[in-house]
Amino acid sequence: TQLLEQSPQFLSIQEGENLTVYCNSSSVFSSLQWYRQEPGEGPVLLVTVVTGGEVKKLKRLTFQFGDARKDSSLHITAAQPGDTGLYLCAGLYGGATNKLIFGTGTLLAVQP
Amino acid sequence: DTGVSQNPRHKITKRGQNVTFRCDPISEHNRLYWYRQTLGQGPEFLTYFQNEAQLEKSRLLSDRFSAERPKGSFSTLEIQRTEQGDSAMYLCASSLGLGAGYGYTFGSGTRLTVV
Repeated sequence: TQLLEQSPQFLSIQEGENLTVYCNSSSVFSSLQWYRQEPGEGPVLLVTVVTGGEVKKLKRLTFQFGDARKDSSLHITAAQPGDTGLYLCAGLYGGATNKLIFGTGTLLAVQP
Repeated sequence: DTGVSQNPRHKITKRGQNVTFRCDPISEHNRLYWYRQTLGQGPEFLTYFQNEAQLEKSRLLSDRFSAERPKGSFSTLEIQRTEQGDSAMYLCASSLGLGAGYGYTFGSGTRLTVV
């Protein structure tokens, strides 16, 4: 059973468009991370959010942690083909603090 | 340090054969994790080591799977009597901790195909 549901599962957009990816759970996270994975490679850490309501920006990427720390979103402004990849959220739960639980993933394709 | 290294990158094996994968973590990282990932899905936790101690194993890890981390350095993951359902990407990650200020560093993975 996946504790972290991501939506949409797949997104194909044109270069220059904006998009938002969602990560939802019924459980409270002590912290949440976002990773990006390119084909044939391992995921790479983008950001960690810890505080409810926290917003972090990484160039054209904006990450938000929900007030109740049960959900998160990733917004990309003016998407570029280099943003193409599998986006994964991953959380630490109070009852499982030794490891990250990963979300179901959102596959993003940005067409030039 | 060149990051987390996994070998081999690809492995094709016949059903019923045994396979072993190796992971060399970042040297100062005391935590080492194995995950399994199928195409387009998120990684699923398999097992976790802190130094040489295996502290947690997923229920996904049947008795055909075994992992070791002798001397708290590299780790191996062995799958005995492989089945077609074992076909997946096997990812290794290491870290100094978890939570704020820490994250996983993943290797490039070993893609296993069981024919």
